[in-house]
Amino acid sequence: AQKVTQAQTEISVVEKEDVTLDCVYETRDTTYYLFWYKQPPSGELVFLIRRNSFDEQNEISGRYSWNFQKSTSSFNFTITASQVVDSAVYFCALTSAGSARQLTFGSGTQLTVLP
Amino acid sequence: DAGVIQSPRHEVTEMGQEVTLRCKPISGHNSLFWYRQTMMRGLELLIYFNNNVPIDDSGMPEDRFSAKMPNASFSTLKIQPSEPRDSAVYFCASSFWVGIQETQYFGPGTRLLVL
Repeated sequence: AQKVTQAQTEISVVEKEDVTLDCVYETRDTTYYLFWYKQPPSGELVFLIRRNSFDEQNEISGRYSWNFQKSTSSFNFTITASQVVDSAVYFCALTSAGSARQLTFGSGTQLTVLP
Repeated sequence: DAGVIQSPRHEVTEMGQEVTLRCKPISGHNSLFWYRQTMMRGLELLIYFNNNVPIDDSGMPEDRFSAKMPNASFSTLKIQPSEPRDSAVYFCASSFWVGIQETQYFGPGTRLLVL
């Protein structure tokens, strides 16, 4: 069985603050992929990033960065200099070799960026 | 490029009525997924197809739900008869699957309300 835990249900920050969204995962497989998706108030699910279990390099894309640490089974997401448009629910997800293509989602973190 | 297209975006119906949700995957993708999102259960995989063939329908709640994929560019999810507990957002996603490597791209969702 696999599991994704996003312990932060809601986070509220003021614009231009940095914010980190936590994601902890569980899987018995050594080959797996981790994802982050964004769900803005309009409701669609937007793909942000995919990482595989063999690549622990951190990734940066503009104001977004991701920290993957196998030692702690975590895949955290940081938004630097947050903006109001970053307000959304963010989901971490996992699929693994033994999961029969099941994409397991965390419960999501509601991020609110105040002006 | 066009993303995953779903219709209708919103559907309000009365209990007992038949509901049909439609999805057009991204051109060139070989896999299609149907998910349901509710506050109580989060995102749940209902069924997925690979090369138009249903592979895993273990997430389909009951016989009232059925899904078809008659060709590579179209899929339907049907609920007959609908019940108030079916109210949810239904997402369609598509991917190009190569072994374990795939990224699922989601459509905008259909918000279903059964009265």
